[in-house]
Amino acid sequence: DAGVIQSPRHEVTEMGQEVTLRCKPISGHDYLFWYRQTMMRGLELLIYFNNNVPIDDSGMPEDRFSAKMPNASFSTLKIQPSEPRDSAVYFCASTPGFGEQYFGPGTRLTVT
Amino acid sequence: GENVEQHPSTLSVQEGDSAVIKCTYSDSASNYFPWYKQELGKGPQLIIDIRSNVGEKKDQRIAVTLNKTAKHFSLHITETQPEDSAVYFCAKRSGNQFYFGTGTSLTVIP
Repeated sequence: DAGVIQSPRHEVTEMGQEVTLRCKPISGHDYLFWYRQTMMRGLELLIYFNNNVPIDDSGMPEDRFSAKMPNASFSTLKIQPSEPRDSAVYFCASTPGFGEQYFGPGTRLTVT
Repeated sequence: GENVEQHPSTLSVQEGDSAVIKCTYSDSASNYFPWYKQELGKGPQLIIDIRSNVGEKKDQRIAVTLNKTAKHFSLHITETQPEDSAVYFCAKRSGNQFYFGTGTSLTVIP
């Protein structure tokens, strides 16, 4: 398996623009997690899905953030409108049930 | 609570020496404790994990110990090499969620 795939790897955008981050989990994994990593706050869980259904989105910072998982092999994290404080590395991770969690390579987002 | 405390935040060792990173937690429900290595520009990679019914697990130069009574677990790296230099994160799983320590930046000096 190719592991968790994320795109784009880098994104630079201007404040106010919409940003969409994409994730393809490992085939057969029924849990998908979105994390944000910054120097100040470390790894923060934003939202996670089980069998494509959002289970806990309490970590989503505000209404500007939204996430979807239309099918078992694809998820998106959208920020609209983006702000400079959203600059961070965003990771997607997947897990098979109560098994090990595997991370993607991340998307480095810079909002100017 | 769900916090995981990790120490030290930075660690420098001479090549060939051992490195130890410690984590503590406070809840009783956690039953799975993974360790991740994150190299610059990459995502965290699972390097070893331990479940609550085991006290120690070893994989070549890496070992993890768990004291469930005291609620702490540790990562031990022996015979360190320059390529071990990275940020290491401990984590615990409580229910379906993972909670991470704040990371230890390990530098192995050649």
